[in-house]
Amino acid sequence: NAGVMQNPRHLVRRRGQEARLRCSPMKGHSHVYWYRQLPEEGLKFMVYLQKENIIDESGMPKERFSAEFPKEGPSILRIQQVVRGDSAAYFCASSQETGLSGNTIYFGEGSWLTVV
Amino acid sequence: AQTVTQSQPEMSVQEAETVTLSCTYDTSESDYYLFWYKQPPSRQMILVIRQEAYKQQNATENRFSVNFQKAAKSFSLKISDSQLGDAAMYFCAYRSVAGAGSYQLTFGKGTKLSVIP
Repeated sequence: NAGVMQNPRHLVRRRGQEARLRCSPMKGHSHVYWYRQLPEEGLKFMVYLQKENIIDESGMPKERFSAEFPKEGPSILRIQQVVRGDSAAYFCASSQETGLSGNTIYFGEGSWLTVV
Repeated sequence: AQTVTQSQPEMSVQEAETVTLSCTYDTSESDYYLFWYKQPPSRQMILVIRQEAYKQQNATENRFSVNFQKAAKSFSLKISDSQLGDAAMYFCAYRSVAGAGSYQLTFGKGTKLSVIP
């Protein structure tokens, strides 16, 4: 599980501000996933990215949320105009390839967003 | 769409004893992967064990083993010789082999395991 780096670990934002969460995948991994964990819930898929491409964002709210994985640098999950309901743990994960070869998806330690 | 159900919100076990966590799932696919993840108080998601559906043999990782019943769509986790460090939330997860579901893990709601000294 070591190697997927997320920061910040904890982030507090006031309603209406923007939150930016960063994720550096494990070395050698080119596939990044973001999941959200609401209190007392399991993780829910948000978005799947490869370098410079969003492959599937079907789990992401249509408004205020965006994600990118540029050619250089970490993947960014951006939440604009945050609301209290955005308070959650946001997990990044990475893998070498998708499930076709059965590659395991490894998770980072999560970023906890609190909206006050 | 696949669903994963963990019917035990909380479980407890005496240290050194054995405990089994239940998981059932619903799918129309014949090939897929199943996982158990552990989330300790640090909230990190840690892969405990993984099972390929095409394999009849149950996966084992040290003190952790699974009972995979494909026909019954059941995937339980057995923890032997429980240790205090096993106390955590345990999540069962499903992933397809191909298609969109191959990169989307579907999680259950979790079982909180307490270990009594």
